[in-house]
Amino acid sequence: AQSVTQLGSHVSVSEGALVLLRCNYSSSVPPYLFWYVQYPNQGLQLLLKYTSAATLVKGINGFEAEFKKSETSFHLTKPSAHMSDAAEYFCAVSPFISGGYNKLIFGAGTRLAVHP
Amino acid sequence: ETGVTQTPRHLVMGMTNKKSLKCEQHLGHNAMYWYKQSAKKPLELMFVYSLEERVENNSVPSRFSPECPNSSHLFLHLHTLQPEDSALYLCASSPYKREAANTGELFFGEGSRLTVL
Repeated sequence: AQSVTQLGSHVSVSEGALVLLRCNYSSSVPPYLFWYVQYPNQGLQLLLKYTSAATLVKGINGFEAEFKKSETSFHLTKPSAHMSDAAEYFCAVSPFISGGYNKLIFGAGTRLAVHP
Repeated sequence: ETGVTQTPRHLVMGMTNKKSLKCEQHLGHNAMYWYKQSAKKPLELMFVYSLEERVENNSVPSRFSPECPNSSHLFLHLHTLQPEDSALYLCASSPYKREAANTGELFFGEGSRLTVL
């Protein structure tokens, strides 16, 4: 069975500092991996995804994530935080299997606060 | 604008009321999903419809009743809810799994915030 663990339910950084949000996954088959962002009172928006191509994935708003199979990790980073990055971030895993729909398993989320 | 529209955005109802949440997608997708997002809990997949057929029902109480009349519309009918059902209900859509256009992700609406008094 697939699962996702996000280390740290709350992360706080200064504006301009490095953002690092941690995600570890468990999957018995090669997974697809995703990071979503949720701003207050909004739905989830895709930041980036790993689908077995390049292990370093670049997404929107300057975010990137690296797939490390040996560590079963898919951590999200951004070199310099901006105030507008304050939101909740969700890591998700989906097994690469055939079927009729995309079954994503989500982590519990990490709330990112950015202070001046 | 995500291409997935949910109405109403906010709903307050009593435990004896009957109401419905609506989701409409304009992306040409063939799979639609209901997720429940409660405070301090992971996103919970409730129902999945693929090609208008319900393919997943994750032990959701019968007071939640989904309906998918066509591939563009999804409803969640609510009746005799409990206060613990208060949550953000998210609708999502995706292409059918085997379509070339499917790259694995879900496309979410902005959610319907439900409060049960």
